[in-house]
Amino acid sequence: QSVLTQPPSMSAAPGQKVTISCSGTSSNIGNHDVSWYQQLPGTAPKLLIYDNHKRPSEIPDRFSGSKSGTSATLGITGLQTGDEADYYCGTWDSSLSAGVFGGGTKLTVL
Amino acid sequence: QMQLVQSGGGVVQPGRSLKLSCAASGFSFSSYTIHWVRQAPGKGLEWVAVISYDGSTEYYADSMEGRMSISRDNSKNTVNLEMNSLRSEDTALYYCARDRGVLGVKGYFYGMDVWGQGTTVIVS
Repeated sequence: QSVLTQPPSMSAAPGQKVTISCSGTSSNIGNHDVSWYQQLPGTAPKLLIYDNHKRPSEIPDRFSGSKSGTSATLGITGLQTGDEADYYCGTWDSSLSAGVFGGGTKLTVL
Repeated sequence: QMQLVQSGGGVVQPGRSLKLSCAASGFSFSSYTIHWVRQAPGKGLEWVAVISYDGSTEYYADSMEGRMSISRDNSKNTVNLEMNSLRSEDTALYYCARDRGVLGVKGYFYGMDVWGQGTTVIVS
């Protein structure tokens, strides 16, 4: 059971938009920055979003992040088949004094 | 370019120890916090441990139950993860990753922006 809660799977058609939620508590998301990661099959995770909403320079603006209270959201617009991957949220948990990840969301673009 | 190259790993018997290493290049290693993250076969990411940029602070996941030890040598640009009393449930792909927060001013989990290639540990 992960500390952060994500939907296990989502699907959408090419060109559509999807939002992936990440729910936590005041000890993690509520008081710490959230980052999001994309993991394509057989590869290391890749940072998509940090500081809740900022994108590394190489990440297209189709990817966006937001945070409100104890929840965070990753948005992906203009879905492409290449976006099929597992997506994870992560942050620090001050009660645990540890990093925590969500259980991951498998995105299917069909 | 910025990279983390991992070594170590392999097949080990239950109860034995193993050391993983992570060598950095292409950036100012001593300015960055480093994490270890693992992924069991078919499972999600699990945070394992973190060490501050200067090696003064370490944190571990509770599930490691004191069996893991993270260390760094800034003169050699390396981070190590020593794992003791290994169990079958420690079988996983282990990654080291750089946290993008410089000098820890953004805390211990600002975003992992450079990842190693991963190294497999099989406890059997």
